[in-house]
Amino acid sequence: ETGVTQTPRHLVMGMTNKKSLKCEQHLGHNAMYWYKQSAKKPLELMFVYNFKEQTENNSVPSRFSPECPNSSHLFLHLHTLQPEDSALYLCASSQETRFNEQFFGPGTRLTVL
Amino acid sequence: AQSVTQPDIHITVSEGASLELRCNYSYGATPYLFWYVQSPGQGLQLLLKYFSGDTLVQGIKGFEAEFKRSQSSFNLRKPSVHWSDAAEYFCAVAPNAGGTSYGKLTFGQGTILTVHP
Repeated sequence: ETGVTQTPRHLVMGMTNKKSLKCEQHLGHNAMYWYKQSAKKPLELMFVYNFKEQTENNSVPSRFSPECPNSSHLFLHLHTLQPEDSALYLCASSQETRFNEQFFGPGTRLTVL
Repeated sequence: AQSVTQPDIHITVSEGASLELRCNYSYGATPYLFWYVQSPGQGLQLLLKYFSGDTLVQGIKGFEAEFKRSQSSFNLRKPSVHWSDAAEYFCAVAPNAGGTSYGKLTFGQGTILTVHP
C-alpha cells in the first residue's frame, strides 16, 4: 500500500449504530487530519493530530470521536449520527503540521439513514 | 480569519482550449497557497503550491498558477485542456504563522470543470 488509505470506502448506518472509519498513511508522516466534505459546502477541517496529540478540534459534535494510536493510524468513531452527517469523510497526512502540504486519502462515503 | 473564494462554480471548456480558474483569498499576510484537484470518487491530489519566491509556480499535469499579492489572487491556468482534466478544482490557503495556526487549510467551494470534445 502506498499513500493514504481509508476503509471502508462506503458506509451506510442507522442513527443508533456505532461504526468507525479507519485511515492509514504509508508516508512516514507525523500529522494526520480528518475533513468533512458535504455537497455544496467547502471542505471542513474537523480534527488535527500532530505526533499523536490532538491539536485541533474544530467545534465538532461529540458524536464524532477521533483516535490516533500512532502516527500512521487515525480513526473516527461514530455514534448516534444524524442524517445531516452524511458526507464524504477525507483523511489527510503531512510531514508535520508545520508543513502544510497535505496528502489525501480517497475518502469514506458515509450515509446516515 | 482566512477565507477563500472561487467565484466560478462550474466552467465548461472545449478540449484544447486554454483554462483559467480564479481564486481570491482573504488573509492578513501572505499565506501559503495551494491548488488541489478531485476526480469523482477520489480524494484530493495536490497540483501545485506557493510558499514564497517566484510568483509563477509550475505544477503537475501542465498546470501553473500565479500569485498576485495586489489582487489577493492565485489563479490556476493551463494552456491546452485535455478531456482527462475534467474534475473539481479546489484552491486552499494556510497561514504562514506558527502556533495554533499550523495545519489549518481553508478551502474554497471548488470549481467543477467540464471538458467538451
